[in-house]
Amino acid sequence: GENVEQHPSTLSVQEGDSAVIKCTYSDSASNYFPWYKQELGKGPQLIIDIRSNVGEKKDQRIAVTLNKTAKHFSLHITETQPEDSAVYFCAAKDSNYQLIWGAGTKLIIKP
Amino acid sequence: GAGVSQSPSNKVTEKGKDVELRCDPISGHTALYWYRQSLGQGLEFLIYFQGNSAPDKSGLPSDRFSAERTGGSVSTLTIQRTQQEDSAVYLCASSLGPPLLAGSQYFGPGTRLTVL
Repeated sequence: GENVEQHPSTLSVQEGDSAVIKCTYSDSASNYFPWYKQELGKGPQLIIDIRSNVGEKKDQRIAVTLNKTAKHFSLHITETQPEDSAVYFCAAKDSNYQLIWGAGTKLIIKP
Repeated sequence: GAGVSQSPSNKVTEKGKDVELRCDPISGHTALYWYRQSLGQGLEFLIYFQGNSAPDKSGLPSDRFSAERTGGSVSTLTIQRTQQEDSAVYLCASSLGPPLLAGSQYFGPGTRLTVL
């Protein structure tokens, strides 16, 4: 079945710098890749997603890239701000159409 | 409109007692998921409901865990004879349709369960 690995587990960046979180997946049939942001004490919230027929998608300071050949996708956050501090989860929809989740990345924005 | 709601937000119980956690999905969402999140960990899938179909219970960790969904809307997760290792945040999510058609899951705020 699908396996999703996420790196790094913790990422600390200076405010204003960019942050990149990477995920790899194993099931080549996976076709949907969402990213969720979880703030302390809250449930995860979808921030951006990408489907397998697209290589890149942007939404203001957030972008996701997908490399189907290499089976990896990444979240890019530019001009980081203190409110970007949270735990970020990637996921991939497997051939059974269920979401398989990465272990999460704790993003810390240093002032 | 209203998002996914869960109750209670916090539950403290004694080892061996039964607990019930409630989830109200977004109106019109046919799919409902339960996840467990231990402190500082990722999401562990527990169970999935889609419309009137038989639920996917493949993630339930033991027969002490069960869930039901009445009328295709509200869901209750029941943990019998709670153990300390059941302490975690239990998250509920809903989506508009089956996973084949819909990707986005919308999460509730979770119920933090503490078993003493």
